[in-house]
Amino acid sequence: AQKVTQAQTEISVVEKEDVTLDCVYETRDTTYYLFWYKQPPSGELVFLIRRNSFDEQNEISGRYSWNFQKSTSSFNFTITASQVVDSAVYFCALTSSGGYNKLIFGAGTRLAVHP
Amino acid sequence: GAGVSQSPSNKVTEKGKDVELRCDPISGHTALYWYRQSLGQGLEFLIYFQGNSAPDKSGLPSDRFSAERTGGSVSTLTIQRTQQEDSAVYLCASSLQDRRPTKFFGPGTRLTVL
Repeated sequence: AQKVTQAQTEISVVEKEDVTLDCVYETRDTTYYLFWYKQPPSGELVFLIRRNSFDEQNEISGRYSWNFQKSTSSFNFTITASQVVDSAVYFCALTSSGGYNKLIFGAGTRLAVHP
Repeated sequence: GAGVSQSPSNKVTEKGKDVELRCDPISGHTALYWYRQSLGQGLEFLIYFQGNSAPDKSGLPSDRFSAERTGGSVSTLTIQRTQQEDSAVYLCASSLQDRRPTKFFGPGTRLTVL
């Protein structure tokens, strides 16, 4: 069975702090994809990144970076120098490479960035 | 349009009434998904369409829920005899094809059953 665990329910930081959102996944598939989505107060799920299981290179996009480690089944997301606009719920998700790629979501982490 | 659109954005209905929720996927996206997001339940998969057929309906919570897709484009999710526990945000997503796993989501329809 596939499962995604986001142990942090809520995180509160002050602007300019760095913050890391944890994601741990379970799957028996050898090929799979991991995702992060952002859900701002407006409600729409915004795609942030996709990572496939055979590419463990970390990725940086501006203030965002992702650390994928197969050895620990983790795909953590770090926001550097957080801003108020980063306040949102962040979801980690998993899908296998076969079939129709149904997304399995974690419960989400609510990030509040205070000025 | 540029993204996935859903209508209505909000729907308030009385218990026992039927509702229809609409999803317009990104043009050319053959795969379409419905998810439900309710408090305490996270994001739940409901149904998947490839073209006009639905190979997986396993997430539909009861036989009061049904969905169809016509012309390989617009999809309608119908909930009959609504119950208060149906209150949630219903999200639609589309993707280019089965082997392109990135799904793009619409803004959702917030359903409130009184």
